[in-house]
Amino acid sequence: SAVISQKPSRDICQRGTSLTIQCQVDSQVTMMFWYRQQPGQSLTLIATANQGSEATYESGFVIDKFPISRPNLTFSTLTVSNMSPEDSSIYLCSVWEGSRPNQPQHFGDGTRLSIL
Amino acid sequence: SQQGEEDPQALSIQEGENATMNCSYKTSINNLQWYRQNSGRGLVHLILIRSNEREKHSGRLRVTLDTSKKSSSLLITASRAADTASYFCALPPSQGGSEKLVFGKGTKLTVNP
Repeated sequence: SAVISQKPSRDICQRGTSLTIQCQVDSQVTMMFWYRQQPGQSLTLIATANQGSEATYESGFVIDKFPISRPNLTFSTLTVSNMSPEDSSIYLCSVWEGSRPNQPQHFGDGTRLSIL
Repeated sequence: SQQGEEDPQALSIQEGENATMNCSYKTSINNLQWYRQNSGRGLVHLILIRSNEREKHSGRLRVTLDTSKKSSSLLITASRAADTASYFCALPPSQGGSEKLVFGKGTKLTVNP
């Protein structure tokens, strides 16, 4: 199964600033997923990052707020821009096992973000 | 839109007891998955059950799927303190997009030593 490393594991940021979260996979995958998990809540999909094309954003999430890069088949970044306290969440990246849908997803340990 | 609804929201049991969590959904699916999340960590995949399966086992875990009732259950037998975690069911959205998963709100399980 894929091993996913996320950096940073946690951060405390000032409002109005931006933070870029990195996600590294130990194998090549076509799709990478970025989720947000607000305190005590379930996971909400932010966007799907495809290599070689623009990310596909879910309803309620926009590129200006959450720009995503996908420079190759093993790496992606999510930037949380112009942060406010409402952005305090855990951000997780994930991939399909074997890079195939309808298989288990594997997750990084997440980035716990607190905005002051 | 499709989202699993877990029940109960929280469950507290003693070590050695069994824990049962349920997930109900609205539209037909081709598979349903269960995940565990320990506090402050990412999600770990537990079991994937397909629509043509009624039951799957993995160690102390047993998952059932009743497509006629649109529900699934996760049973953890002989629970341990280390099973304390949140458990989520996940399924494809109802409006296409099989590349995505939609997660339920989860059941928070506490196993007391």
